[in-house]
Amino acid sequence: DTGVSQDPRHKITKRGQNVTFRCDPISEHNRLYWYRQTLGQGPEFLTYFQNEAQLEKSRLLSDRFSAERPKGSFSTLEIQRTEQGDSAMYLCASSLGGVRGPSYEQYFGPGTRLMVT
Amino acid sequence: TQLLEQSPQFLSIQEGENLTVYCNSSSVFSSLQWYRQEPGEGPVLLVTVVTGGEVKKLKRLTFQFGDARKDSSLHITAAQPGDTGLYLCAGGGGTYKYIFGTGTRLKVLA
Repeated sequence: DTGVSQDPRHKITKRGQNVTFRCDPISEHNRLYWYRQTLGQGPEFLTYFQNEAQLEKSRLLSDRFSAERPKGSFSTLEIQRTEQGDSAMYLCASSLGGVRGPSYEQYFGPGTRLMVT
Repeated sequence: TQLLEQSPQFLSIQEGENLTVYCNSSSVFSSLQWYRQEPGEGPVLLVTVVTGGEVKKLKRLTFQFGDARKDSSLHITAAQPGDTGLYLCAGGGGTYKYIFGTGTRLKVLA
């Protein structure tokens, strides 16, 4: 397995357009996370999936954001009616863990850098 | 609210020097991860520590988890330009959630 992959790596879009990002986690990992990172800051949690179930969604995620993980494998993050403030690096990470309880090692993909003009 | 503060925020040193980065919190974590991130890339996991007082070494990098599992440090010996990057700590609690530190941006000059 080659690790977590994300597509596209870069996206430039005009304000008001919709964008969709894809994440393919490490194959045996049941936990999947989306984060947003702005320049010089640590990643901010957006949402979390345990298999196909979305168990938590941050208040940072407005109604314009939606994420899915339909078969418990890959995930998509869609942003509708993009705004300039959405410009950031969107990171996906995966890990192994039970329904309850911690997981210790989280692996990140290379990220999708979004620029809204 | 759990917070992880890293210090220093920025560090610029000459090749061959030693340095220590700190990650502090008032909360107890069940595990702590350290990552290095290069510009335009995702964070790369360096180490996970889970036991209070634990010390792990990765070549020239030494990681320590505080006895009370509230803080951690990363020490780099004889820094090299390839060590340049953003160093992030992340604490795991008893659930799936991770709290990320504020980051330390390291630049090692040749």
